[in-house]
Parts: sequence; C-alpha cells; structure tokens
Amino acid sequence: GQNIDQPTEMTATEGAIVQINCTYQTSGFNGLFWYQQHAGEAPTFLSYNVLDGLEEKGRFSSFLSRSKGYSYLLLKELQMKDSASYLCAVNPPGGGNKLTFGTGTQLKVEL
Amino acid sequence: DADVTQTPRNRITKTGKRIMLECSQTKGHDRMYWYRQDPGLGLRLIYYSFDVKDINKGEISDGYSVSRQAQAKFSLSLESAIPNQTALYFCATRADRDFAGELFFGEGSRLTVL
Repeated sequence: GQNIDQPTEMTATEGAIVQINCTYQTSGFNGLFWYQQHAGEAPTFLSYNVLDGLEEKGRFSSFLSRSKGYSYLLLKELQMKDSASYLCAVNPPGGGNKLTFGTGTQLKVEL
Repeated sequence: DADVTQTPRNRITKTGKRIMLECSQTKGHDRMYWYRQDPGLGLRLIYYSFDVKDINKGEISDGYSVSRQAQAKFSLSLESAIPNQTALYFCATRADRDFAGELFFGEGSRLTVL
C-alpha cells in the first residue's frame, strides 16, 4: 500500500529558499507528482519525477530518490504568491492510473 | 473557458436531499475522476472512470454514485446527503494510459450539508 508523509506547515521568508519533503512507502512505484494549490482553488501541476535525480523548472525543482522513498520540492527566490499548499502524489503500484495524494504542506511566505 | 468545468460551484443543502455535481471536459481525455478534499485529509478518490463503460470505486465511494453519460461528462451523486459529506469536490481528467500524465482539475464544487 501507500503511505505519503509531508510536513503540515512551513513558514519561509520572501526571497529565501525552502525545501518541502515528501516520503512514501509503496510496494511499487510509477512516478511522483507535485501540485500547487492556492486556497479555494484547484490544484495545478508543478512537476513529475520517475527517475532518480533533480528536475529543474525555473524557480521550482523536484528531486527523487526511489531507493529511499523520498522526494523534495525546492522553491527558490520565494515570492508572496508562493504561499499555497503543496501536494505530493504518487501513482500506485499495479496500474489503475490514479493518483494518491499526501495531505499537503501549507507554505506561508512572510516579508 | 476552462477545460474542466464543474457545476454548481457552491451548493448548500439539507440532510437527506439528493445532490448531483456535474463535470464536463473539453480535453478529449477518456479518464475522469472525482476527489473530495477535507482540511487535514488531503484529496481522496471517490470514483474514477476510464471510459463510458468503465466505472471504478475509489477509496471512499460509500454514499456516492457516479454516471458517465459521455466521454466528456462525469457526474457525481449523493443519494441522501449527510453533514459529513460537506467538503470541496474536484473533478479531474487525465490523458490515457500514461503514468506521466498530469491530472487536470476543475475549479471545484463546494458542498455544505446542513
């Protein structure tokens, strides 16, 4: 089965760097997603990792270690608009093509 | 216009009432999903469908039913609403047979059951 763990809340300063961690336990693995969700809005896709290593997209990067069941989302040059919930999600083993989500990390960016 | 449209966006109803949430999409995806979101519990899968003739239960399907009327339409029904079904509901679509494919979400339907 799957058990996805993320910190509930984090606070960071505008202009700084923040790392949001996600750990998962799964008997199989078909990739990990990160989504951003502003309050009251729909989640929007940030990144997808299926192989080990770092994927960079502008100010956002995502890292995966399959052997450790671990991923992180790195946000650089934080802006106030980055205040949002960040959701980690995995494809379950055995197909089914449906995502299982963690409970999300609420990031607050302060001046 | 949004690629994934949900109606209604907000609904307040009473215990015991039947409620339908509708979802339509213009992305041409076969795979459609209904999730609910509760504070502290994240997004949980209610039902999903891979085509018009394929409906599958998710992790929390009790108290819900769905109908896939066409490739583009997937509706969620609460036959007899109860207060603990108060939540934010999201419909989503995904490209076919592609583990790398992202989910595209509708804007959400906020349901309050009194």
